[in-house]
Amino acid sequence: EIVLTQSPATLSLSPGERTTLSCRASQNINNFLAWYQQRPGQAPRLLIYDTFNRATGIPARFSGSGSGTDFTLTISPLEPEDVAVYYCQLRINWPPVLTFGGGTKVEVK
Amino acid sequence: QVQLVQSGAEVKKPGSSVKVSCKASGETLRNFALTWVRQAPGQGLEWMGGIIPSSGAANYAQSFQGRVTITADKFTSTAYMELSSLTSKDTAMYYCARVTPAMDVWGRGTTVTVSS
Repeated sequence: EIVLTQSPATLSLSPGERTTLSCRASQNINNFLAWYQQRPGQAPRLLIYDTFNRATGIPARFSGSGSGTDFTLTISPLEPEDVAVYYCQLRINWPPVLTFGGGTKVEVK
Repeated sequence: QVQLVQSGAEVKKPGSSVKVSCKASGETLRNFALTWVRQAPGQGLEWMGGIIPSSGAANYAQSFQGRVTITADKFTSTAYMELSSLTSKDTAMYYCARVTPAMDVWGRGTTVTVSS
């Protein structure tokens, strides 16, 4: 079973800053990695799919990268509305088997 | 544009079962997968299982094997998730989501509370 480890657990940054969230897999994975944003009290929202593709309507300040075992979500510049928990998620097989990382909470000062 | 409309909140007794529905509007359930994710209070996201409605092929997370059943009615574009032998640990928000190839459309969630 592949485990996704996200770091750090919490980030606190000022508006306008650049932030990088990490998602590390326990073994080499394909590029079927996605990122989600979950604001307080809301359902998750897809940001990035297949490592670097932005979902419909997602601002260009969100970008994804990575390969192998190390993947990254970058937010630049950080906006006040980006306060949320961010999850990475792996998909394998079809019907899909999904795995989530533990999440990174982003706070804006 | 597809929307996923979930059934309302449930309160259940320990040991009982719950069945949550997820109806697609604006588009039929075609060859995408429909998946279920739960989130306990203050916790992260946990994948439960999913189904391809057009074929009925389903799979489940190991941690829920034998306790969860996911079905779909492609004629009414509705998917169902039934969880049995409920305990207080099953108190959570349950989401359905479309997978194409990531979870791009989510339902608003259904709160399930298990309490004696």
